[in-house]
Amino acid sequence: LAKTTQPISMDSYEGQEVNITCSHNNIATNDYITWYQQFPSQGPRFIIQGYKTKVTNEVASLFIPADRKSSTLSLPRVSLSDTAVYYCLVASTGTASKLTFGTGTRLQVTL
Amino acid sequence: DTAVSQTPKYLVTQMGNDKSIKCEQNLGHDTMYWYKQDSKKFLKIMFSYNNKELIINETVPNRFSPKSPDKAHLNLHINSLELGDSAVYFCASSQVERGLGELFFGEGSRLTVL
Repeated sequence: LAKTTQPISMDSYEGQEVNITCSHNNIATNDYITWYQQFPSQGPRFIIQGYKTKVTNEVASLFIPADRKSSTLSLPRVSLSDTAVYYCLVASTGTASKLTFGTGTRLQVTL
Repeated sequence: DTAVSQTPKYLVTQMGNDKSIKCEQNLGHDTMYWYKQDSKKFLKIMFSYNNKELIINETVPNRFSPKSPDKAHLNLHINSLELGDSAVYFCASSQVERGLGELFFGEGSRLTVL
């Protein structure tokens, strides 16, 4: 069971780059790392997923070091609408998949 | 069209009652899930079904019983409701078994037990 740990909260100004790190020391070989965004009164929404090195899409980048014991979600030039809770999820394809979400990081973006 | 829809969105009931939450997905996914999010915002998986078969059943009281009449529907029935059952329950679906693919969540059903 790959438990994850994230900072409880972060603050940023609009226009800045934000990096949120998730620790998953006992990640298994088959585990993938996925990040979700959740706004109040809504369900989580997929942002990005990766296995190793770097993944980039239109909204974020995901950096995963060689040992895969942590990962960093990078949000370029955040805006007020990026204020949300960000969850790190370590998912396995094995029979013991637990789909465990981390505690989440509450990002507050201000002017 | 809403991809994953849950009903009801809000549910207020007394302790000891029995209630159900329904979930439907129109994405053609094979796997559906129920998650519970408590007041501290922890998001914990409760159940997962793949093609109407239970594949994940976390440590959940047997008062909670999921039912999947077909792969597009996963309902959650709760017997003898307790105060601690108050939470937001999210239904989700994915294309790939065991969550490797993207999880699509519903809007949530806020259950309040008085």
